[in-house]
Amino acid sequence: GDSVTQMEGPVTLSEEAFLTINCTYTATGYPSLFWYVQYPGEGLQLLLKATKADDKGSNKGFEATYRKETTSFHLEKGSVQVSDSAVYFCALRSGSNTGKLIFGQGTTLQVKP
Amino acid sequence: KAGVTQTPRYLIKTRGQQVTLSCSPISGHRSVSWYQQTPGQGLQFLFEYFSETQRNKGNFPGRFSGRQFSNSRSEMNVSTLELGDSALYLCASSFIGDPNTEAFFGQGTRLTVV
Repeated sequence: GDSVTQMEGPVTLSEEAFLTINCTYTATGYPSLFWYVQYPGEGLQLLLKATKADDKGSNKGFEATYRKETTSFHLEKGSVQVSDSAVYFCALRSGSNTGKLIFGQGTTLQVKP
Repeated sequence: KAGVTQTPRYLIKTRGQQVTLSCSPISGHRSVSWYQQTPGQGLQFLFEYFSETQRNKGNFPGRFSGRQFSNSRSEMNVSTLELGDSALYLCASSFIGDPNTEAFFGQGTRLTVV
């Protein structure tokens, strides 16, 4: 079945450091890919998305490119801030006719001043 | 536009009891999915409802059930609660049919079983 694998956390960085969180997936067909973020005590918020190969999603300085050849959707940010500290989830949706998401394990990011 | 609303936010129940959680989706969204989030298992899909019909079901025992009403509001029920059911339960609503659509999540219901 479809699955998503994320790099293990936690990830601890200093402010203004470069961030990469790796995400790879296994899916039949052409899934849509997402990054969600969860702040303490809250639900999930969409960070960015890509619906087809070579699409680049971006938001708030974060970027991820849908790479079909490597089945990856790595999250990057050039300069992290303390306010970026949260848990990040990579997810896929198998088709446009379902709301079901398959999530990776989540990666906790802690940014220190 | 109002977001996804889950009630209650917090619940404490005793083993063996049952519980019902509610989710009101964004207006116009007919798909509602439920997820269980625990530190050990991460985010696991419970089930999806669309137009009052269950479309997908995750790998959970029959104690976990749900339903959806004609106004798209959804409830999930857990019977004979076990300690391991303690978790954050999240629901998400989606507009189906658009490949660019995304799932919008509620803030969750934190269930503690004692």
